[in-house]
Amino acid sequence: NAGVTQTPKFQVLKTGQSMTLQCAQDMNHEYMSWYRQDPGMGLRLIHYSVGAGITDQGEVPNGYNVSRSTTEDFPLRLLSAAPSQTSVYFCASSYSGTGEVPYEQYFGPGTRLTVT
Amino acid sequence: AQKVTQAQTEISVVEKEDVTLDCVYETRDTTYYLFWYKQPPSGELVFLIRRNSFDEQNEISGRYSWNFQKSTSSFNFTITASQVVDSAVYFCALSGARLNFGNEKLTFGTGTRLTIIP
Repeated sequence: NAGVTQTPKFQVLKTGQSMTLQCAQDMNHEYMSWYRQDPGMGLRLIHYSVGAGITDQGEVPNGYNVSRSTTEDFPLRLLSAAPSQTSVYFCASSYSGTGEVPYEQYFGPGTRLTVT
Repeated sequence: AQKVTQAQTEISVVEKEDVTLDCVYETRDTTYYLFWYKQPPSGELVFLIRRNSFDEQNEISGRYSWNFQKSTSSFNFTITASQVVDSAVYFCALSGARLNFGNEKLTFGTGTRLTIIP
């Protein structure tokens, strides 16, 4: 079990460039999410998905796009990178089950993105 | 709206001392879940505990213990006899019950950086 994998680990972009951060999980988890971590601000939710074909916005969605065509993959697209998007990005997944209990999220190792 | 406050930005203690990390939350839900995650210097986030709003019993796991008090909306985390390996950033987080679409979203606090001095 690889768990949650993210690529790349590091990336430098110029302002205005676009790119896709990849996230994959092999645990058959229905729930997947993207966070950004900035100093002093904790982790903030960008987008999330409760299953293939179903996504929604989190707290800070502007400038980012997601899609979920398979259970395993949940890529995050930066449409036109800005210096304010310099951050560490974490992908996470969790089992959903059938009840009301939210299960713990498993996090990927993170992608450190710098936009110049 | 949900909110989690971790007022302690950084704490340093000498090894073997006990240390308590504070977490205060706000929510309008009657059913909710509280979490603690650890982020060691290597950067990955590790799940520590989940508690639901109906279970106010304290939890102990080895040197770790958690005190949930609904009356003060707090879910504090204590490390007993701290060790250097406990040095990390600790996050408290809050989620609703999975009753409606997206209700299980996690709201994180800003984290407490704990440094254990040898």
